[in-house]
Amino acid sequence: KNEVEQSPQNLTAQEGEFITINCSYSVGISALHWLQQHPGGGIVSLFMLSSGKKKHGRLIATINIQEKHSSLHITASHPRDSAVYICAVTTNYGGSQGNLIFGKGTKLSVKP
Amino acid sequence: KAGVTQTPRYLIKTRGQQVTLSCSPISGHRSVSWYQQTPGQGLQFLFEYFSETQRNKGNFPGRFSGRQFSNSRSEMNVSTLELGDSALYLCASSLLAGGSPYEQYFGPGTRLTVT
Repeated sequence: KNEVEQSPQNLTAQEGEFITINCSYSVGISALHWLQQHPGGGIVSLFMLSSGKKKHGRLIATINIQEKHSSLHITASHPRDSAVYICAVTTNYGGSQGNLIFGKGTKLSVKP
Repeated sequence: KAGVTQTPRYLIKTRGQQVTLSCSPISGHRSVSWYQQTPGQGLQFLFEYFSETQRNKGNFPGRFSGRQFSNSRSEMNVSTLELGDSALYLCASSLLAGGSPYEQYFGPGTRLTVT
């Protein structure tokens, strides 16, 4: 079993729809990251959170530490949101924060 | 500020050769991490450097090595290349290492093809 699990693996939505991507993890963490990867490979960090909720524009990320679960929400989705969204965690051991453990990613396609 | 840069962007090598990839972090960032991304395994952690010291290493064979220079630039080397080493190699930099986690900033990656 992977230490970081994401669902769904693939998601197709119509423009304007509300989208939720889920992430569950089984290890102790000091932070959880949501990343966005467009075709071509470049990765952008969307959020880093260790508790509660963060919002940036149409994107909202929440985390429940007790349940070891996080969600990424996209409101009023747009075709430019089409990308792979990756959940990753920084584990809370070893004193190193560079060791990210990644989920397999969720491929989102938003149709106009 | 300029972002994380990686060179070269694309590389084709033959089995058995070795390769060196370079990463220049964002100015002021002292931590550099390397990751490998393949269709089968996804993203996996290779190693992390801070102030020229390797702080952590992922589960990769000894053919994979790296180093960091005093200006925080980092290189990774893969010797005796195998077909399975074909991947996108990403580096990421962050302000510090250890203690509280910091956001990581990713470079565009180097796409290595081994034939």
